Amino acid sequence: VQLLESGGGLVQPGGSLRLSCAASGFTFSTYAMHWVRQAPGKGLEWVSGIGTTAAAYYADSVKGRFTISRDNSKYTLYLHMSSLGAEDTAIYYCVCRQAGTRQFDPWGQGTLVTVSS
Amino acid sequence: EIVLTQSPGTLSLSPGERATLSCRASQSVSSSYLAWYQQKPGQAPRLLIYGASSRATGIPDRFSGSGSGTDFILTISRLEPEDFAVYYCQQYDSSPPGYTFGQGTKLEIK
Repeated sequence: VQLLESGGGLVQPGGSLRLSCAASGFTFSTYAMHWVRQAPGKGLEWVSGIGTTAAAYYADSVKGRFTISRDNSKYTLYLHMSSLGAEDTAIYYCVCRQAGTRQFDPWGQGTLVTVSS
Repeated sequence: EIVLTQSPGTLSLSPGERATLSCRASQSVSSSYLAWYQQKPGQAPRLLIYGASSRATGIPDRFSGSGSGTDFILTISRLEPEDFAVYYCQQYDSSPPGYTFGQGTKLEIK
């Protein structure tokens, strides 16, 4: 199983960015997928998840600003982020969740998003 | 929202010693929904324990989890040099649906 995030980088406050996570080594469509982030030197924060039926849910801190989606034919997970602020600066990890479970395994290596002028 | 509080914040022990890490929830958590992760510097977290007490694939049996309700424990029976890392607990809440992590316990070499 491999998860490879991309799309991170430096963005100005108020800007937008789209993260991608390319999955391989498993049947992507049968797994729920999530994004978890970690601000520099801080702990882990769940951001958003999308189920096998594409039902999506979000942490209150990003609701209305972030949109999660998936393309099962491309084995790819996305996170569209808008109205970004300094508080969104973090490493964003793509993670798997097997249907019927509530733990995250495995994790990608992460992509760094820096919001700064 | 359920809040997870981990203690201690930092634990200083020597290789070969026993480590006991605590995770306390602000309200009752289903044991099925409690997990533990290990994170080493510069690496992504790794699942250790799920369902409060089940070891993930490939996790050595020196790692064990226990607890129920609001109090959960991660025990490392005999510390190996590679076990010094940060450990997080995590829970799932269905109403509203979401996941929360504890703030982490740093296990450092004494």
